[in-house]
Order: sequence, then structure tokens, then C-alpha cells
Amino acid sequence: DTGVSQNPRHKITKRGQNVTFRCDPISEHNRLYWYRQTLGQGPEFLTYFQNEAQLEKSRLLSDRFSAERPKGSFSTLEIQRTEQGDSAMYLCASSRQGVRSAGAIYFGEGSWLTVV
Amino acid sequence: GQQLNQSPQSMFIQEGEDVSMNCTSSSIFNTWLWYKQDPGEGPVLLIALYKAGELTSNGRLTAQFGITRKDSFLNISASIPSDVGIYFCAGQLGGGGADGLTFGKGTHLIIQP
Repeated sequence: DTGVSQNPRHKITKRGQNVTFRCDPISEHNRLYWYRQTLGQGPEFLTYFQNEAQLEKSRLLSDRFSAERPKGSFSTLEIQRTEQGDSAMYLCASSRQGVRSAGAIYFGEGSWLTVV
Repeated sequence: GQQLNQSPQSMFIQEGEDVSMNCTSSSIFNTWLWYKQDPGEGPVLLIALYKAGELTSNGRLTAQFGITRKDSFLNISASIPSDVGIYFCAGQLGGGGADGLTFGKGTHLIIQP
């Protein structure tokens, strides 16, 4: 496995701009997750895909946040009209559906967002 | 919503000492996971637990899934400098993925030379 890959690793943007993060999951992992982590806190679940279907999105922080996984492989997380409070690390994770492996969730290295 | 209480918040130990940290929840989880996170990096999976009472080891690390399904602990034996970091427990209610993981706030492990 090459691991979960995220890019860019760091993004500085001006308030009001849109940003997009990309995630390439571990190959053959059909489940993909996005989390957000702020300083001093554990990651916070945002959304979940099984293959190309987004099965959970109620935890996205606002309607400015959206995610896609069009072909069931890589995923993108977009934040529109960024605000300073969006500054955080955005983590992608993936797992393989299975009886015992349902909980073995592997994270990428994260994408740091700083909104100035 | 579900909350995980992770303790201690931080630990200052000498190299070679054993470490113990734990996580408790007000809700039942069906999966418990332990992660280690270094500054600026994503969490790295250490141990995954799927069954109440399960005790699993990974090298010097040992973790257990509590019988009540509301708690878990992680032990590290004979700590070494590279064990420094933040350790997170995480619980998942179901196996379907849609529940996501609920994380604790982490235990900062600091090793004094």
C-alpha cells in the first residue's frame, strides 16, 4: 500500500476565496472519509463515501463545504467563501469494507489550511 | 452526542518507563482504535479492537476493548524517545462507516532524557 495521499499539504488563502483539497485513498479501499482537526483537538468527522456514493454528509460544517468522489477513487473537498474559522488541518482517511476490517481506518498526512 | 474522555491529558515520563492511558465513553462503541500523531502529520493507526474483552498487542503496545464496550486502555512498555507524540483513542458505533469515528482529545506523551 502506498498510503492515503493528500494534496496540497499546505494552503494559505485569503478570506472569501475557494479552496479545494484532493485525496487519493489506499488502492482497493472503497470507503473514504474526510475529517477536520483544529489545534488541541482530535479529528472531527465530516463526511463519508462508499465507492462513489456519499452516504453521510450531515456533519459537514456548513453549506460552504462540499465533497465529491465521482469515480469512486480519489475525492475532493471544497470550501467556498473561506472564513478565518476554517483554518484547520483537513484529513482524509480510507478503509476497506469487510467484516473485521470495517474499523481499520487509515489517515493521510493532512492538508493544512490557513485563511488570512 | 457521543463523547470520549481520554486521560491523562499529558504524561511526563523517563525513558524506559511503562505508560498507561485510557479512554471512557458515555456510549457503547463497537470498534475502538488507537492512533499516534506527530506534529504536522496525520494520525497513524496503532491498534484496532473489534470485540468486547479483546486484548491485542503490537510490539511494545497493548490495548484492550473494555467488557462494557464503553472503555479502552493502551499500554506502552519500556518507552523510547520515538514514542513521543499525541495518542488518540477513537470509537466507532457501527461497522458501516457512516457513523464516523469519535475521537478523544488526546494524551500528550513527553519523555524526559
